[in-house]
Amino acid sequence: GQNIDQPTEMTATEGAIVQINCTYQTSGFNGLFWYQQHAGEAPTFLSNNVLDGLEEKGRISSFLSRSKGYSYLLLKELQMKDSASYLCSYMDSNYQLIWGAGTKLIIKP
Amino acid sequence: TAGITQAPTSQILAAGRSMTLRCTQDMRHNAMYWYRQDLGLGLRLIHYSNTAGTTGKGEVPDGYSVSRANTDDFPLTLASAVPSQTSVYFCASSDGSGVAGELFFGEGSRLTVL
Repeated sequence: GQNIDQPTEMTATEGAIVQINCTYQTSGFNGLFWYQQHAGEAPTFLSNNVLDGLEEKGRISSFLSRSKGYSYLLLKELQMKDSASYLCSYMDSNYQLIWGAGTKLIIKP
Repeated sequence: TAGITQAPTSQILAAGRSMTLRCTQDMRHNAMYWYRQDLGLGLRLIHYSNTAGTTGKGEVPDGYSVSRANTDDFPLTLASAVPSQTSVYFCASSDGSGVAGELFFGEGSRLTVL
């Protein structure tokens, strides 16, 4: 199987903050990527990290630690429309994306 | 623009029959990919093409074939379908001049093999 792991499901409250963690193990690494996928729809690109640290884009932030094989996606000011699956993936030494199974995020009012 | 168009949206197929899933993009992206998505598993790469005229095998290529005669089209063929090929299939493309790893996906083709 793929050496990438993320929680299966998380629940959060509208207006709050949620952090979705992702861990991976690979000998070749060319970046970490987060995608959003609403039920029955196609995945869409959210954020990427190539170097260690935090990338911020509005309500969305993503963090990477290459030495720890760890990333997280931070979603702030949660809205009901943020209910979706969030897919973590890393680019391997062949420049192909290896995908986690996704974290289903449920937002409650 | 349409982006990536997949057809059919869904299909029920008898085991042993052949089937071609169509994928067309209008973004002039060089690289194209076929993935399958199954419950509890991450997207798995079936085949890919870095540029027109070339193709490569992904993680799960057995039972599938592809061709890339031009930049826009990347059909996926199941020569003799089996029930384990029941899945949602996504075609995707990427632009080498953009963010590496940013893929643009089609809406998916849901295939059921009975």
